[in-house]
Amino acid sequence: QLQLQESGPGLVKPSETLSLTCTVSGGSISTSSYYWGWIRQPPGKGLEWIGSIYYNGNTYYNPSLKSRVTISVDTSRNQFSLKLISVTAADTAVYYCARRVGVATSLYYYYFMDVWGKGTTVTVSS
Amino acid sequence: EIVLTQSPGTLSLSPGERATLSCRASQSVSSSYLAWYQQKPGQAPRLLIYGASSRATGIPDRFSGSGSGTDFTLTISRLEPEDFAVYYCQQSGKTFGQGTKVEIK
Repeated sequence: QLQLQESGPGLVKPSETLSLTCTVSGGSISTSSYYWGWIRQPPGKGLEWIGSIYYNGNTYYNPSLKSRVTISVDTSRNQFSLKLISVTAADTAVYYCARRVGVATSLYYYYFMDVWGKGTTVTVSS
Repeated sequence: EIVLTQSPGTLSLSPGERATLSCRASQSVSSSYLAWYQQKPGQAPRLLIYGASSRATGIPDRFSGSGSGTDFTLTISRLEPEDFAVYYCQQSGKTFGQGTKVEIK
């Protein structure tokens, strides 16, 4: 059964870089039809998609965060990572990693996120 | 960039009642790109519906989705105690709506 696990520091200072890793177990990250994504949720607020990556390194990002975000993949370790630079208190959130499915049938292309990590809380504070 | 707007913000209902949640897109979305998620406090979101109307594995048939173009609906036919949660729509595995909270009346 596929599982995703986020890891990284729970506390980051303002203006520094937030770095998180998602480890994929029970399946290969190098599988076609799957992108791997990051989503965050500030306290008491809704979900915000950050960006996604394919195993070959293709990425796409939320335009509102694109200037500060880098997502990378390490297929040898079955991991993908998030870096967010110049953080402020507004970046305090629970950060989730998830598998984004992109699957084609004879008529349609479907996109959705079917497997999620449990999330990790990151607080930005001095 | 497509914006998803969910309504109402909060829905106050009793167990056994029917819940109807709306998700409106700022421009037309392929129905195959529209998904719904349920989130309970302290938990990660769970996929309920993909392709606007297909239930994910293990999702009870009291959950149903419909819609096309810019208007999509999630319906819970008879609310069970475990259904009180926040529900999000998402398009193309990217942008989310702001969520609808279904609370006990």
